[in-house]
Amino acid sequence: EIVMTQSPATLSVSPGERATLSCRASQSVSSNLAWYQQKPGQAPRLLIYGASTRATGIPARFSGSGSGTEFTLTISSLQSEDFAVYFCQHYNNWPPWTFGQGTKVEIK
Amino acid sequence: EVQLLESGGGLVQPGGSLRLSCAASGFTFSTYAMTWVRQAPGKGLEWVSAVSGSGGSTYYADSVRGRFTISRDNSKNTLYLQMNSLRADDTAVYYCAKAFLEWLPLDYWGQGTLVTVSS
Repeated sequence: EIVMTQSPATLSVSPGERATLSCRASQSVSSNLAWYQQKPGQAPRLLIYGASTRATGIPARFSGSGSGTEFTLTISSLQSEDFAVYFCQHYNNWPPWTFGQGTKVEIK
Repeated sequence: EVQLLESGGGLVQPGGSLRLSCAASGFTFSTYAMTWVRQAPGKGLEWVSAVSGSGGSTYYADSVRGRFTISRDNSKNTLYLQMNSLRADDTAVYYCAKAFLEWLPLDYWGQGTLVTVSS
């Protein structure tokens, strides 16, 4: 099973600042990596797939990078609606297609 | 508009059974793999199970293999999760989700249904 580790667990950021979230895989997942955003009481929403491709309707301030075992989600200028929990998930080869434990982005 | 609507959650005793349903609309259901993901209260997301568009291929997390069965009825545009031998650690919100590519990522999610396993 591939273990996905996200850091930090909590990120305190002021509105308008940049946020950088990390996700590490225990073995290579190539570019088969997705990022999701989840707000309280809501289902997750797909942000990024293929490590760097924004899903439909996702603002350009969200960007993803990385391949292999190291991945980054960057939010260039945090808006109020971006404060949420972010999860990475690999979908390389065979299941289980595990999620990271999440990074909570909170208002500083 | 894609819609996924889960139902069937509730309170069940340890060792009991429950069947979740997910009614899909707004897309050609049989074309896409479907997945169940769960989230224990205050915790992260856990991938549970997936089924191919035809229903011919299924996958399970180790934590549920042998107890849960995923299936689909493409004539009814409905996904199911039969849960047997339920344990307290199965308590979670269960989401159904649609695959964007072959199996993942998951581009549409339902609102979730809460399963509580408790005596």
